[in-house]
Amino acid sequence: KNEVEQSPQNLTAQEGEFITINCSYSVGISALHWLQQHPGGGIVSLFMLSSGKKKHGRLIATINIQEKHSSLHITASHPRDSAVYICAVRSTSQGAQKLVFGQGTRLTINP
Amino acid sequence: DARVTQTPRHKVTEMGQEVTMRCQPILGHNTVFWYRQTMMQGLELLAYFRNRAPLDDSGMPKDRFSAEMPDATLATLKIQPSEPRDSAVYFCASGLSPRTGELFFGEGSRLTVL
Repeated sequence: KNEVEQSPQNLTAQEGEFITINCSYSVGISALHWLQQHPGGGIVSLFMLSSGKKKHGRLIATINIQEKHSSLHITASHPRDSAVYICAVRSTSQGAQKLVFGQGTRLTINP
Repeated sequence: DARVTQTPRHKVTEMGQEVTMRCQPILGHNTVFWYRQTMMQGLELLAYFRNRAPLDDSGMPKDRFSAEMPDATLATLKIQPSEPRDSAVYFCASGLSPRTGELFFGEGSRLTVL
């Protein structure tokens, strides 16, 4: 079983819909990252969380340390949000410098 | 604006050739990471530097891969000799704190070994 599991693996929605991507992890962490990767593109760090909730524009990220779970929400989704979203954790057991990555969630927003 | 710069963006080479990928971290960042992304394995850590010293290269095949930071503005990842299974996108990332700091990724170097 992977240490970081994301769901769903693929998600297709209509423009304007509220999107939720989930990330569960099984190790102790010092921080959790949400990353965005457009097709053929580089990786952009959206959020880094160690507790609570963060908001940036239409994106909201939450983390529940006790439940070892994080969610990424997109409000009023737009076709330009189509990308792969990757959850990554800094595992305290592997040395906090090592990011452990989820397999990614491929999001497609149709106009 | 500050960003991590990687060169080349694309490289096609033949098996057995030497490949060198370069990364310029954001000025002032003291941690540099090399990651490899493939369809099968996703993102994997290859090597990690802090203050130019290699701290973890356990993810890197030692017989053919080498990573160095000759100075604070340049990190290199070299493959010699290259093999078709090395075909992947190689990402460099830099940051300030290895434990809790934000990471900034480059655009990646897409390597194809024929």
